[in-house]
Order: sequence, then C-alpha cells, then structure tokens
Amino acid sequence: AQSVTQPDIHITVSEGASLELRCNYSYGATPYLFWYVQSPGQGLQLLLKYFSGDTLVQGIKGFEAEFKRSQSSFNLRKPSVHWSDAAEYFCAVGERNYGQNFVFGPGTRLSVLP
Amino acid sequence: EAGVTQSPTHLIKTRGQQATLRCSPISGHTSVYWYQQALGLGLQFLLWYDEGEERNRGNFPPRFSGRQFPNYSSELNVNALELEDSALYLCASSAPSGRQDTQYFGPGTRLTVL
Repeated sequence: AQSVTQPDIHITVSEGASLELRCNYSYGATPYLFWYVQSPGQGLQLLLKYFSGDTLVQGIKGFEAEFKRSQSSFNLRKPSVHWSDAAEYFCAVGERNYGQNFVFGPGTRLSVLP
Repeated sequence: EAGVTQSPTHLIKTRGQQATLRCSPISGHTSVYWYQQALGLGLQFLLWYDEGEERNRGNFPPRFSGRQFPNYSSELNVNALELEDSALYLCASSAPSGRQDTQYFGPGTRLTVL
C-alpha cells in the first residue's frame, strides 16, 4: 500500500521569500502525485498534479513541483510567497490501477510573516 | 462549470442521532469519494462510489454508510453519532475510470456532535 510523508508539520516564511514543502511517498510503481491546498474551514483546491512526462510540473498560483523518482519525492516550490499563501498543504498519492485510492500526507501548515 | 457542492454547510447533532450529508459531483463525473477530516487526524478515506456501486471503504465502522444515486449525487449517513464523529466531511468527485483520476473537492460539511 502506498504512503505519504510530509516531514514538516509547520513552516513559517516571510512574505517574498522562497518556499519548498517536502513530500516523500512509498509506492511500488510510478504513482499519480498531487498537491492540494486548504484554507481554514474550506475544502481542498488542486494546485498541480503529475501523471507522466516532464518531471517539473507547473501549477496554479505560481507553484511548481518536481518529481524525483530516485528520491521518491515530489516537493512543492514557489519562488516568492504571498501572504495569501498561508494555508495547509497536502501531498497525495493515487494508484494508477482502477481503484483510485488516494492517500494523503498529514499536511504542512504554512504561515507567512509580513 | 459548477464544482462539487455539499450540503448542509454545518450540521449540529447530539450523541446517538443520525446525520445525513449530501454531495453533488461535477457534471460528467461518475465517482464520488468521502473523507473525514477530524482535528489532528488528517484526511481519512471513508467511501468511494462509482456508477452507483460502493467500490471501496476505509477503516470505519458500519454505522458510516452511504449511497450514490442515478444522477451520481451521493449521500453519507452516519448512525448512532459519537462525539468523535465531529469533523469536516469532504466530498470529492472524479471523471470516469480510464480518464484522469484527479479528485476535485467540495467545500465540506462541518458536523458537530454534542
């Protein structure tokens, strides 16, 4: 069964600083990989996804993520953080076979200092 | 195009009562997923419905049940409510199998059990 770890429970960055949120997964084959963002009390919004092809994926709101098979990682990056990026970020792994089981990481809470 | 909708937004019940939560998927989507997001426990997979059938369920007791209607909308029922059932319940939908498996989430229903 697949699993996802997000080593950082909480990260604080200053507005305008760069950001990297870590995600490591365990899965027997090449998985589907996702990053979602959740504002307080809200549902999850898809930021970006990786299915195949180019390992550097561009998403919405200026986010990107890079799939590194050798490290089983799918880290999320943003070159310059805005105060509105403060939220909870979830990495998720999906199975390629019919079953569509998603496993979510525990989440990383991002705080942004003015 | 309308996204995933959920109703009600908030629901307050007392221990032992039953709760019914509703979800309407994105038009054209046939799969519906339910997740529980309790404080400090992350996103836990509850149920997956596809084409009217329950395809998979997470590690939850049988008092969590649901169904999917012919129009692909779904209902989650929680019987004999317990205090620990208080959580945000998220619904997601995805396109028919064989296409992209991305799950799109609704805003959630906040269930409070007193």
